[in-house]
Amino acid sequence: ETGVTQTPRHLVMGMTNKKSLKCEQHLGHNAMYWYKQSAKKPLELMFVYNFKEQTENNSVPSRFSPECPNSSHLFLHLHTLQPEDSALYLCASSQEASSSYNEQFFGPGTRLTVL
Amino acid sequence: GESVGLHLPTLSVQEGDNSIINCAYSNSASDYFIWYKQESGKGPQFIIDIRSNMDKRQGQRVTVLLNKTVKHLSLQIAATQPGDSAVYFCAETPSPYKLSFGAGTTVTVRA
Repeated sequence: ETGVTQTPRHLVMGMTNKKSLKCEQHLGHNAMYWYKQSAKKPLELMFVYNFKEQTENNSVPSRFSPECPNSSHLFLHLHTLQPEDSALYLCASSQEASSSYNEQFFGPGTRLTVL
Repeated sequence: GESVGLHLPTLSVQEGDNSIINCAYSNSASDYFIWYKQESGKGPQFIIDIRSNMDKRQGQRVTVLLNKTVKHLSLQIAATQPGDSAVYFCAETPSPYKLSFGAGTTVTVRA
């Protein structure tokens, strides 16, 4: 595997379900990100992790719970979601999330549908 | 607010012609500006970036122009090809690791 991978690619869940999205980066990076891409809206940054520590929570509802066990893996745990949470969830990684700009590399995304 | 927007949601271009995609940004403090390309079913792919102390930067078949006076960013694609059909996003960096994206321009290349 190369680059940034995400699983599953598609997910349909009910509002009472609990599911998790997984992201893995094979680039040796130390920062990972979750973005939400809704139809007709710009990509929205959700969370940032730098060296496994969360450095940014962009006012995301608590029904989204991120986890970063190591610099290569990032999860997004989902529970009690709403239909308006249906979107493409993108993971990205970069060398670091620090005081210098570093190019972010994106995965293919998980298309989530909440019924 | 701190957001980046594109002037046109769609652009149709004849194969072989040059394309120009425009973007307006709002945060004067942004240090880097980036263009991404997103093809159907894929995540955004980095095209080119430019730092705020530059006016122009060229890549392979692409040129990015930055006009800080009017807070305008553009991406020029030379000799547009069918594989250039995608959604193009500009992004700015209100902080070094935070990307603020615009809404995107869908480019369709006509054969």
